[in-house]
Amino acid sequence: VQLMESGGGLVQPGRSLRLSCRTSGFTFGEYGLSWVRQAPGKGLEWVGFIRSKAYGGTTEYAASVKGRFTISRDDSKSIAYLQMNSLKTEDTAVYYCSRDSLLGYDHWGQGTQVTVSS
Amino acid sequence: QSVLTQPPSVSEAPRQRVTISCSGSSSNIANHAVNWYQHVPGKAPKLLIYHDDQLPSGVSDRFSASKSGPSASLAISGLQSEDEADYYCAAWDDNLKGVVFGGGTKVTVL
Repeated sequence: VQLMESGGGLVQPGRSLRLSCRTSGFTFGEYGLSWVRQAPGKGLEWVGFIRSKAYGGTTEYAASVKGRFTISRDDSKSIAYLQMNSLKTEDTAVYYCSRDSLLGYDHWGQGTQVTVSS
Repeated sequence: QSVLTQPPSVSEAPRQRVTISCSGSSSNIANHAVNWYQHVPGKAPKLLIYHDDQLPSGVSDRFSASKSGPSASLAISGLQSEDEADYYCAAWDDNLKGVVFGGGTKVTVL
């Protein structure tokens, strides 16, 4: 099982960025996929997740990102996305994707750095 | 301020035992499964405990956990230098309609 995030970088406040989570080694469509972030000097913060199609493919988001971030998935490519709009300086963090199994977040990527600064 | 409260740090000598508390409420820990994660800075977090007290395959049995009402705890016995990491509890929260993490506890092996 492998997950790999990409798409991070430096972006100005108010702009957008899309992160990708490429996966392999498991049947992607059977699992939910979550995003978790860690701001500098802070702890882990749940961002949101997307359920598998079997559970409707619906999404849930943390209040801090609701209305600005959107999680989607492409089961044919085994990739999940995190579209981040109207970025704020407080969105600066390392963003992790994780597989959401019945056990919890049982596999994680190495993370991708997002820096929001002018 | 995290919804789940953990001590910021704990420390103990090698081969000793430490416990980490995680205090929540009826909207989270009391009525939902608690998971624990180990995070070494710069690395991917790792699932340590699921469903309150279950060890995933491959996780050392030096780790154990329990839950009572709105509180949970993680214990590490036979402390080793490799256990130095940040530890987080997590659970679903009905009020927030999302997953909440504790603030994290840094474990230092003296």
